[in-house]
Amino acid sequence: AQSVTQLDSHVSVSEGTPVLLRCNYSSSYSPSLFWYVQHPNKGLQLLLKYTSAATLVKGINGFEAEFKKSETSFHLTKPSAHMSDAAEYFCVVSSSGYSTLTFGKGTMLLVSP
Amino acid sequence: EAGVAQSPRYKIIEKRQSVAFWCNPISGHATLYWYQQILGQGPKLLIQFQNNGVVDDSQLPKDRFSAERLKGVDSTLKIQPAKLEDSAVYLCASSLATGGYEQYFGPGTRLTVT
Repeated sequence: AQSVTQLDSHVSVSEGTPVLLRCNYSSSYSPSLFWYVQHPNKGLQLLLKYTSAATLVKGINGFEAEFKKSETSFHLTKPSAHMSDAAEYFCVVSSSGYSTLTFGKGTMLLVSP
Repeated sequence: EAGVAQSPRYKIIEKRQSVAFWCNPISGHATLYWYQQILGQGPKLLIQFQNNGVVDDSQLPKDRFSAERLKGVDSTLKIQPAKLEDSAVYLCASSLATGGYEQYFGPGTRLTVT
């Protein structure tokens, strides 16, 4: 079985300040982990993915995430928020070798000027 | 490269009516997925096709939901009869194949059941 817990339903930051979106996972097998972003009225877009290579993963738009097996965490960070980053973010787990994705409930990122 | 296309984008129906959604995946993608995203939750997989065969439909409410992908390209998801709790966004995604390939998502169809 696999599951994902996103620890915050909403995160508010000011433009130019760091972003931290927290995610913990549970998986019976070696997991693949993903972060997706969903802008209003648009499809989900893959930000980055971890598939058992480097534990620090760099994605698009300056986002990165670190896989920590001992903490079963995969937190998403960005050094400096932009207004365009305001969206909903989903942490996703998939058991190794399978394509079934299990989504967290999402974290809404709000960016104020 | 064209993305995943879905129609309609919005649909409002009364409970007990039927509704159908259409999805056209990215050209050449063998695997197609339908997800249900209820407000405030993450998407949940309903059904996964590999070409025109079903790989996983374990979370599809088969008493009212059905899906087909007859020619291994586009797909239709149907609900008959609809219930209030079916109000959600229905997302279609496609990937080159199963087994870890990136899934590309369409914009979704927002269904409201009154």
